[in-house]
Amino acid sequence: AQSVTQLDSHVSVSEGTPVLLRCNYSSSYSPSLFWYVQHPNKGLQLLLKYTSAATLVKGINGFEAEFKKSETSFHLTKPSAHMSDAAEYFCVVIFRNTGNQFYFGTGTSLTVIP
Amino acid sequence: GAVVSQHPSRVICKSGTSVKIECRSLDFQATTMFWYRQFPKQSLMLMATSNEGSKATYEQGVEKDKFLINHASLTLSTLTVTSAHPEDSSFYICSARTGMNSPLHFGNGTRLTVT
Repeated sequence: AQSVTQLDSHVSVSEGTPVLLRCNYSSSYSPSLFWYVQHPNKGLQLLLKYTSAATLVKGINGFEAEFKKSETSFHLTKPSAHMSDAAEYFCVVIFRNTGNQFYFGTGTSLTVIP
Repeated sequence: GAVVSQHPSRVICKSGTSVKIECRSLDFQATTMFWYRQFPKQSLMLMATSNEGSKATYEQGVEKDKFLINHASLTLSTLTVTSAHPEDSSFYICSARTGMNSPLHFGNGTRLTVT
C-alpha cells in the first residue's frame, strides 16, 4: 500500500537553531513530493517540490529538502529557525501510478521558542 | 502565478440554511479542483474532486446531496453545504492544479460556523 508518514506530530526548536521535519513514503512507484506550510486559519502554501530533477530542492523562506530514494525520505530542513516559521507543515506525495491522487501526511506542528 | 481565491473566508449561518463557498483559479484554467475539510489539529480530508463540465467525484462517506459541487467553468468551482447543521462546522479548503504532476495550489480556506 502507498502511504506517506510524518514521523513527528510536533517539533519544538529555539529561534536560530536548525529545523528538521521528517517525511517518509512507501511505494514502489516514483513519487513527486511536496512540502506545504499552513498558518492558522489559512490555506496551504507551497514551500518546495521534487518532481525527478535535482534531489536537493531549495524552496522559499530558506527551506530545503533532499529526496533520498534509498531511504524513501524527503525531510525538510532549515539552518536557522525564525519565529515566523511557527506553523503546521504537511508533506504531500503523488505516486506516478495514481494520477490525481495526493497523499497527505498527518502534519507536523512547529513551535519556535524565542 | 497559480493563485487560487476562495470566498468567503469566514461565514456564520443558522442551522438549516445553505451556504455557498466559491473557489476560483485567478490566472490559470483548472479542469479539476479539489475540496477538502480540515478538523482542528488534523490533516486535510479530501471530500470530492470537482470536474469541469461533469459530475464531481465524492470520496467514500461524503454525502453528495449535502455537499453540492458545481464546476461550471474552467476557473470556478462552488461547494454548497445544504441544510447545514452544527456538525458541519469546519474549515473547508479548495485547491487546483495547473497540470498533471504539478503541485496543488490552495485557497485560503473558509471557516464555517453553524449555530
